[in-house]
Amino acid sequence: KAGVTQTPRYLIKTRGQQVTLSCSPISGHRSVSWYQQTPGQGLQFLFEYFSETQRNKGNFPGRFSGRQFSNSRSEMNVSTLELGDSALYLCASSSTGTGVTEAFFGQGTRLTVV
Amino acid sequence: AQSVTQPDIHITVSEGASLELRCNYSYGATPYLFWYVQSPGQGLQLLLKYFSGDTLVQGIKGFEAEFKRSQSSFNLRKPSVHWSDAAEYFCAVVLTGTASKLTFGTGTRLQVTL
Repeated sequence: KAGVTQTPRYLIKTRGQQVTLSCSPISGHRSVSWYQQTPGQGLQFLFEYFSETQRNKGNFPGRFSGRQFSNSRSEMNVSTLELGDSALYLCASSSTGTGVTEAFFGQGTRLTVV
Repeated sequence: AQSVTQPDIHITVSEGASLELRCNYSYGATPYLFWYVQSPGQGLQLLLKYFSGDTLVQGIKGFEAEFKRSQSSFNLRKPSVHWSDAAEYFCAVVLTGTASKLTFGTGTRLQVTL
């Protein structure tokens, strides 16, 4: 069974640009969550999608958005990039419907904003 | 405030020595508890989880963790550390009703000396 796939692995963008990151969950998993990891703030929850609907949202500005497609693949978009958006962005998938199950993480996308 | 605390930022142990990484949580109810490991530049790998039942849980790679309700702790242990265990370890919780939303501790970096 293939794991969680995130593309691209590395990105370099200029301040003010926008970026889209992609995540393909484990087959059969309908929940996709996104996390931002930085040395200063650690691992922070961005949002979670389940069956194409945002189910949970963290405390990030509206520049951070996401969506989920009918095949459970998810994209995350960051508009008007700032230097502080440089981070490792991790996607996790889980099979949970109403209960709690473990989340499986992808390798991450390393975003550098210059 | 609700939080997950990993008191040790950095731990160094000799190969073959035992290991204990500490994790404390501050929540009104018992959360769902997890330990993840992250190698440099990689995503997170689930080591073990506690949902309910037996308070001593076994995980992958020879790790185990013990849930102690009275101490609000979920410490990770390994009897004999291998050089390949050098990585960063994260304790995480999911609160009831928040589905897949993980709240992480700040992590403990493990260094293994030969």
